[in-house]
Amino acid sequence: LAKTTQPISMDSYEGQEVNITCSHNNIATNDYITWYQQFPSQGPRFIIQGYKTKVTNEVASLFIPADRKSSTLSLPRVSLSDTAVYYCLVAAGGFQKLVFGTGTRLLVSP
Amino acid sequence: NAGVTQTPKFQVLKTGQSMTLQCAQDMNHEYMSWYRQDPGMGLRLIHYSVGAGITDQGEVPNGYNVSRSTTEDFPLRLLSAAPSQTSVYFCASSPGTGQNEKLFFGSGTQLSVL
Repeated sequence: LAKTTQPISMDSYEGQEVNITCSHNNIATNDYITWYQQFPSQGPRFIIQGYKTKVTNEVASLFIPADRKSSTLSLPRVSLSDTAVYYCLVAAGGFQKLVFGTGTRLLVSP
Repeated sequence: NAGVTQTPKFQVLKTGQSMTLQCAQDMNHEYMSWYRQDPGMGLRLIHYSVGAGITDQGEVPNGYNVSRSTTEDFPLRLLSAAPSQTSVYFCASSPGTGQNEKLFFGSGTQLSVL
């Protein structure tokens, strides 16, 4: 089971790009990297998932280097509504193995 | 689209009381699970089910029971509530447990045990 390490908190301002890096040194060959977002008083929400290189959707981009030992979630031009906790998870299927750590608490200020 | 529905949203219990937290999904998902989230902490898996009639324990199962008689419903039972069970409870579901599946979460039940 791959353990992940993320910064506890980050601060940004509206309109800036935010990059949150997650370390997963013992990622296995079959593991996917998934990011979730959680707003206060709500359940986590899927943001993006990838296996290697770069993945982009309407919300974010996910950058994964060739060795896959880390990944970076990139949020372009954040707004106040992006203030949330962001979780990085690594698992090869089987949600019973998923471990939600404490995540990264992002605070976006005006 | 209802997605994953949890009831109630808030509940206060006295120590020793029992109750059932309800979870229902209308997406025909095979996988369902319960998590608890304590202040300032991540989510911890309580129980999960990979299909009707099949359940298994997660990381913190003690004090909780589950059953899965239908695909849609996955209730969580507290037989004798304790203050240590004060937490926010989230139900989640997924089409399956494949490598690239994603979880859909309910909005949570905030439980206080006095």
